[in-house]
Amino acid sequence: GENVEQHPSTLSVQEGDSAVIKCTYSDSASNYFPWYKQELGKRPQLIIDIRSNVGEKKDQRIAVTLNKTAKHFSLHITETQPEDSAVYFCAAGGGSNYKLTFGKGTLLTVNP
Amino acid sequence: DADVTQTPRNRITKTGKRIMLECSQTKGHDRMYWYRQDPGLGLRLIYYSFDVKDINKGEISDGYSVSRQAQAKFSLSLESAIPNQTALYFCATSDDRTGGRAFFGQGTRLTVV
Repeated sequence: GENVEQHPSTLSVQEGDSAVIKCTYSDSASNYFPWYKQELGKRPQLIIDIRSNVGEKKDQRIAVTLNKTAKHFSLHITETQPEDSAVYFCAAGGGSNYKLTFGKGTLLTVNP
Repeated sequence: DADVTQTPRNRITKTGKRIMLECSQTKGHDRMYWYRQDPGLGLRLIYYSFDVKDINKGEISDGYSVSRQAQAKFSLSLESAIPNQTALYFCATSDDRTGGRAFFGQGTRLTVV
C-alpha cells in the first residue's frame, strides 16, 4: 500500500518568514495530493490540493509543488502569520475510492 | 450549510464495553470514511464505504466494525473496547463531484479506561 513520509515534524518560524513542509510517497499510482490544516481542537480542513497532471498550484500565500518522478510534493507558505500556526498534514491518494494515506503531520509555530 | 456530524463528541467508556460512534452527513456524498488520529501518528484509515452495500477495511481495522445504514449514515463500533483504542476519531466524506476532496466531521474523542 501507499506510504507517506512528512518532514519536518515540527517547524518554528518568525512572522513574515516562509515555511516549507515536504512529503514523499511510495505508490506511483497515486495521483491526488491534498494538504490539510488542523487547528487545536478542530477538524482537519483542506487548504490546497494538486493532481498529478499539474506541477505547481498557488492560492494567495500558499503553494504546492509536485515532482512525480521523484515522488515528492511540498507545501510553501509565504509571509507567515500567527494564525498559520497549526498542524499540517499531507496526503496521497488515487483511484475511484479516493482513499487517502496521510503523513504524520507537521506542527508549525509562527512566532510574532 | 451541508456538513458532516459526529456523535458523541466526547465519550469515556470502560474496558470491555461495546461502544458505537455515529456519523451522519448532509453533503450527499457517496463515499464515507473512518479515521483514527493519535499524537504523532497522523490520521490512519480504519474503514471506508462507497455506498450502502460496500464496506472495505483500511490499514487498522482490527478491533473495529462498521455499518452503513444509509447513504448518509456510517457508524463505527468497538465490540470490546481496550485502552489502546483511546484516540480521536474522525469521519469523512467525499465523492466524484469533489474529485476526492475529503470533508471531515468535528471528531469524537474516545477514552477507554
